Amino acid sequence: DVKVTQSSRYLVKRTGEKVFLECVQDMDHENMFWYRQDPGLGLRLIYFSYDVKMKEKGDIPEGYSVSREKKERFSLILESASTNQTSMYLCASSPGGTGGLGSEAFFGQGTRLTVV
Amino acid sequence: KQEVTQIPAALSVPEGENLVLNCSFTDSAIYNLQWFRQDPGKGLTSLLLIQSSQREQTSGRLNASLDKSSGRSTLYIAASQPGDSATYLCAVRRSQEYNTDKLIFGTGTRLQVFP
Repeated sequence: DVKVTQSSRYLVKRTGEKVFLECVQDMDHENMFWYRQDPGLGLRLIYFSYDVKMKEKGDIPEGYSVSREKKERFSLILESASTNQTSMYLCASSPGGTGGLGSEAFFGQGTRLTVV
Repeated sequence: KQEVTQIPAALSVPEGENLVLNCSFTDSAIYNLQWFRQDPGKGLTSLLLIQSSQREQTSGRLNASLDKSSGRSTLYIAASQPGDSATYLCAVRRSQEYNTDKLIFGTGTRLQVFP
């Protein structure tokens, strides 16, 4: 089974802190994604990556950056955390590439981040 | 811009009922559609994936259909159980390009099945 693992289930951080959310997948997937989920707004794409060191902005990239130095790991960085970034963050991966195009996406268990 | 809508937003039914959850999308040029389940405070679990060339997919008590031309998909749950209580999300993938291969989600249907 595909496994997507997020480093923390719950995090509490202070306003202005730099925050790192880590995600690791074990199935050699090309694509990795970061979403945030808020009541009434659903899942919104922050950033995605289709290859090592490649990244594309999603719908709401402001205030975030990402890093993908290795294929299996995709990090979301909050440069200076703010209270409006309190949310559930979800990481996902999919095979991608020309061979796995359109295949299933798999999600991690989520990180509930609270910024105080 | 692709928009995905799910109706109803919430549903409460007694155990044993057969259910239909609806998903509609505004742009019929989709590559595939995926149904997910989310338990409270948890991540998403993939249930079914339907390619654009397919009409339906089945897994156990779940059956998902796709009508691209009308922009609709339905998730049918047979003989519902309390353990089916969760939020159900559909998501469409528009792109055939590997570097823009991303999902667009609906806002979900929150299902409660009571004994």
